[in-house]
Amino acid sequence: AQSVTQLGSHVSVSEGALVLLRCNYSSSVPPYLFWYVQYPNQGLQLLLKYTSAATLVKGINGFEAEFKKSETSFHLTKPSAHMSDAAEYFCAVSDTGGGNKLTFGTGTQLKVEL
Amino acid sequence: NAGVMQNPRHLVRRRGQEARLRCSPMKGHSHVYWYRQLPEEGLKFMVYLQKENIIDESGMPKERFSAEFPKEGPSILRIQQVVRGDSAAYFCASSQDRSYEQYFGPGTRLTVT
Repeated sequence: AQSVTQLGSHVSVSEGALVLLRCNYSSSVPPYLFWYVQYPNQGLQLLLKYTSAATLVKGINGFEAEFKKSETSFHLTKPSAHMSDAAEYFCAVSDTGGGNKLTFGTGTQLKVEL
Repeated sequence: NAGVMQNPRHLVRRRGQEARLRCSPMKGHSHVYWYRQLPEEGLKFMVYLQKENIIDESGMPKERFSAEFPKEGPSILRIQQVVRGDSAAYFCASSQDRSYEQYFGPGTRLTVT
């Protein structure tokens, strides 16, 4: 069975500061990993995905994530936070490239302060 | 190209009534997934369907819940005899193929009074 753990249900950063959202996964097969963002009362938008190619994945809105097999991690980062980044972020794992069910973490609420 | 559409966006039902949630996938997508998001929780997989077939329903509650994706028309998630614990946001996602990423709709927020 696959699982995802997101450390920190709430993260607060200052505008312009580094954003780091943590995700660790557990999978018996090589995983496909995803980060989604959810704005209030909206659906999920795909930020980026890892599908066994480059370990450093660049996504939309300046976000990127690095797959580290030795640490079973897929942390999301952004060098400089913007107020518009305030949202909830979900890490998810799939074992067949996104075409099968996704297992989500419990989410991290990002707050950006002036 | 329109995205995944869900309706209604908000649905209020009294205990014991039926709830029908509709999902129209993106054009060209024949794979549909339903997820449920309970308050303060992440999304949980419910069911995966292709046209006229249920592929994986391992996340569906055993009773009162059913899903279909007919040859024509939207996918339907049906909840019979709703209870307060069914109050949640229900999201539909679609993909072009089994190996492609999933695109999510805006969700239907069900409130059971």
